[in-house]
Amino acid sequence: SQQGEEDPQALSIQEGENATMNCSYKTSINNLQWYRQNSGRGLVHLILIRSNEREKHSGRLRVTLDTSKKSSSLLITASRAADTASYFCAPKTSYDKVIFGPGTSLSVIP
Amino acid sequence: DVKVTQSSRYLVKRTGEKVFLECVQDMDHENMFWYRQDPGLGLRLIYFSYDVKMKEKGDIPEGYSVSREKKERFSLILESASTNQTSMYLCASSFGPRWLAGGTPSTDTQYFGPGTRLTVL
Repeated sequence: SQQGEEDPQALSIQEGENATMNCSYKTSINNLQWYRQNSGRGLVHLILIRSNEREKHSGRLRVTLDTSKKSSSLLITASRAADTASYFCAPKTSYDKVIFGPGTSLSVIP
Repeated sequence: DVKVTQSSRYLVKRTGEKVFLECVQDMDHENMFWYRQDPGLGLRLIYFSYDVKMKEKGDIPEGYSVSREKKERFSLILESASTNQTSMYLCASSFGPRWLAGGTPSTDTQYFGPGTRLTVL
């Protein structure tokens, strides 16, 4: 299975702190995506990093990818209460089929 | 903006009923997907379709079927609903893979609908 395994399962931080979530996967990938899900809603795509990239930024988000370790991390800097959500990594190998892991539940306390 | 809509946000059905969940996207996407999401299990792929009238089984297709008669619409059907099908159902769509210069494939992100929370009594 290409399932991404997020770690930790739950994370609680104070507003303004940085939040780091990790993802591990099992086999070679074409790219890896991170998604966010607010409570009871659909998923929203955050960022995509390709297998030949090592780091990517988007606003307060920083994603790293280490294909030798088959792992990725998502860093949210200067967190806000609105960042409270579940975060999923989605490694992708073949034709548009991704396997989502159970996610990391992030709580940002005002 | 891409818009993926699902026919209902909340649905309550009885065991044995036939249930239709509808998903419509307005971006001319080739690919469409149905997932179910359960606590602790993440999203699990039920079926996906990469073209009209085409369908592929995902990881948990048992007890479900799908229909894609038009490109913009992908329906999930529970032939005889059971209590273990109580779940959040999420539809998603994406463009098919495109080829960048140099032969590198580029697969696009998935866009999700708001979800349907189905309860089977």
